[in-house]
Amino acid sequence: DIQMTQSPSTLAASVRDRVTITCRASQDVADWLAWYQQKPGKAPELLLYGVSNLKSGVPSRFSGSGSGTDFSLTITSLQPEDSATYYCQQYNSPPWTFGQGTKVEIK
Amino acid sequence: QVQLVESGGGVVQPGRSLRLSCAASGFTFSSNGMHWVRQAPGKGLEWVTLISHDGYNQYYADSVRGRFTVSRDNSKNTLYLHLDSLRPDDTAIYYCAKDGGSYFYDYWGQGTLVTVSS
Repeated sequence: DIQMTQSPSTLAASVRDRVTITCRASQDVADWLAWYQQKPGKAPELLLYGVSNLKSGVPSRFSGSGSGTDFSLTITSLQPEDSATYYCQQYNSPPWTFGQGTKVEIK
Repeated sequence: QVQLVESGGGVVQPGRSLRLSCAASGFTFSSNGMHWVRQAPGKGLEWVTLISHDGYNQYYADSVRGRFTVSRDNSKNTLYLHLDSLRPDDTAIYYCAKDGGSYFYDYWGQGTLVTVSS
């Protein structure tokens, strides 16, 4: 199975800060990488797929980059409503696996 | 708009069975693969199973293969998950999710909680 490792596990930042979360795959997943946001008590929601393709309706302050084994999610200007846990997911090969999550808190 | 509504969760004893349902609307259900993804309390996300758009192909995580069975009724726009031989470590919120075309999940239901406890 492909292991996905996110860092950091938790981060605290201020409103309008630039925030970056990284995700590393244990083997090459090409660009088959998605990011999800999950707020407490809610279902996850898709943010990006194919590394950098923004789902319709997702604010443009979210962006993704990377390829192969190293990926990142960037929030260019953190907003209060971005407080959530973020997960990366590889869909290169089954079983489709997630990172352990990164909790983003607002200072 | 796409809606996925799960039901059927509850408290069940170890070794017993349960059937979850997911009612879909707002898209052409019969054209899309569907997944179940679960999340243990306070933990991360774990993919459980995928069923193809026509129901002919199913894929399972090793942790549930042989115990869980996914199915669908395209005439009713409904996805099912039959959980057998339940264990305490199956305790989780179970989400149904629509396949986005390449095995990522573009829409999720609100989830249904399954608690396996004596």
